[in-house]
Amino acid sequence: AQTVTQSQPEMSVQEAETVTLSCTYDTSESDYYLFWYKQPPSRQMILVIRQEAYKQQNATENRFSVNFQKAAKSFSLKISDSQLGDAAMYFCAYRPANFGNEKLTFGTGTRLTIIP
Amino acid sequence: DSGVTQTPKHLITATGQRVTLRCSPRSGDLSVYWYQQSLDQGLQFLIQYYNGEERAKGNILERFSAQQFPDLHSELNLSSLELGDSALYFCASSVTPAQWETQYFGPGTRLLVL
Repeated sequence: AQTVTQSQPEMSVQEAETVTLSCTYDTSESDYYLFWYKQPPSRQMILVIRQEAYKQQNATENRFSVNFQKAAKSFSLKISDSQLGDAAMYFCAYRPANFGNEKLTFGTGTRLTIIP
Repeated sequence: DSGVTQTPKHLITATGQRVTLRCSPRSGDLSVYWYQQSLDQGLQFLIQYYNGEERAKGNILERFSAQQFPDLHSELNLSSLELGDSALYFCASSVTPAQWETQYFGPGTRLLVL
């Protein structure tokens, strides 16, 4: 079974600084998808960024980028120029590329605090 | 706003009762997923529907059931409720179940069982 591990329950960063959230996963599959979702105090789950395992290039979305290390099964999220609105729980999620198995498996989350 | 709607937003009920949670997917989305977020279990996949048919089951209790209707909205029925069923229940949708499709989440229904 696939598992997703987020070893940092809490992180904090000064506003305008850069922070990196860690995620590792365990799978025997060669093709899969990885996601970072953000859950602000409103509890809405918001997609931040996604990465296809077959792509070597790391995904970027504005101030958000990932460091995908397939061999190490590592998928970290870097947030640059942190803003107060980035304060939230961040969940790493895995989805296999198998037909018929499209569920997301989530990590336990990292609570990010932004210090003004 | 993801375009996925869920009603009600909040639900307070007593043990032993039955409730129905409703989800309307984004316009054009055929696949619906239900997830449960609780303090002790984290975010867990419950069940998935595609175009009215059940497609995959996760850690869904026998007391729970779901369906997707011809207009593609979905309902999650929770019966014989226990204190431990208190959680945030999310519905997500995607255009198809294809692996490359992103799942967009609704705002969730917060269930409190007293």
